[in-house]
Amino acid sequence: KQEVTQIPAALSVPEGENLVLNCSFTDSAIYNLQWFRQDPGKGLTSLLLIQSSQREQTSGRLNASLDKSSGRSTLYIAASQPGDSATYLCAVPSGGGADGLTFGKGTHLIIQP
Amino acid sequence: DAGVIQSPRHEVTEMGQEVTLRCKPISGHNSLFWYRQTMMRGLELLIYFNNNVPIDDSGMPEDRFSAKMPNASFSTLKIQPSEPRDSAVYFCASSGRALQETQYFGPGTRLLVL
Repeated sequence: KQEVTQIPAALSVPEGENLVLNCSFTDSAIYNLQWFRQDPGKGLTSLLLIQSSQREQTSGRLNASLDKSSGRSTLYIAASQPGDSATYLCAVPSGGGADGLTFGKGTHLIIQP
Repeated sequence: DAGVIQSPRHEVTEMGQEVTLRCKPISGHNSLFWYRQTMMRGLELLIYFNNNVPIDDSGMPEDRFSAKMPNASFSTLKIQPSEPRDSAVYFCASSGRALQETQYFGPGTRLLVL
C-alpha cells in the first residue's frame, strides 16, 4: 500500500526566503507525482505535475523535483511571499496509472510579512 | 469552464438522516473521484469512476456509503444512515481523457453530522 510522508508538518519563515518542502513515498512504481496547494476552507489547486520520466518541473517561483528510485520529491519555493501561505500537499497515484491519489498530510506554510 | 461544481457547500444534519452530495465534473473529463478530508486522516480516496463506471470503491468506509454516476456530467455520494464520525469535507475531482492528467478539485462539501 502506497504511503506518502511530508516533512515538515509546519513551517513559518520570513518573507523573501527560499524554502524546500519534502515528500517521500514508499512505492516507487509511480506514473507521476503532483503538488497541490490548499487554502483554508478551500479546495485543492494543482501546482505541478511531474511525470515519472521527468526529473523536475518549474512554474514561476516553484520548482518540483522527482527522484523515483529513492522515493522522494521536493518543492522549492523561491523568494517566498505572504500570498504563498497555505497547506502544500504531495500526491501520487495509489496503484499506478489513471486512478485515485494517495496524499501526504501536507506542510502548513506561513510566510511572515 | 466553471470547474468542478459541488453542492451543497455546507450540510448540517442529525445522526440517522440520509445525506446526498452532488458533483458536476468538468465537461469532457472522463474520470471522477470522491475524496474525504479529516484532520486525523487527511485526504482519502473513497471511490473513482472511469467513463461513468465505478473502478475502485475500496476506500468506501462502509455499506452506509454509496456512489453513482448516471451520466458523464453528474455524480452523487450518499450516506445512509449518517453518523457523527462521517463529519468531514468531501471533495469531488475530475481528470481528462488522457492517462496521468492533473486532477481538478471542486470546492468541497463540509458535512457536519450531529
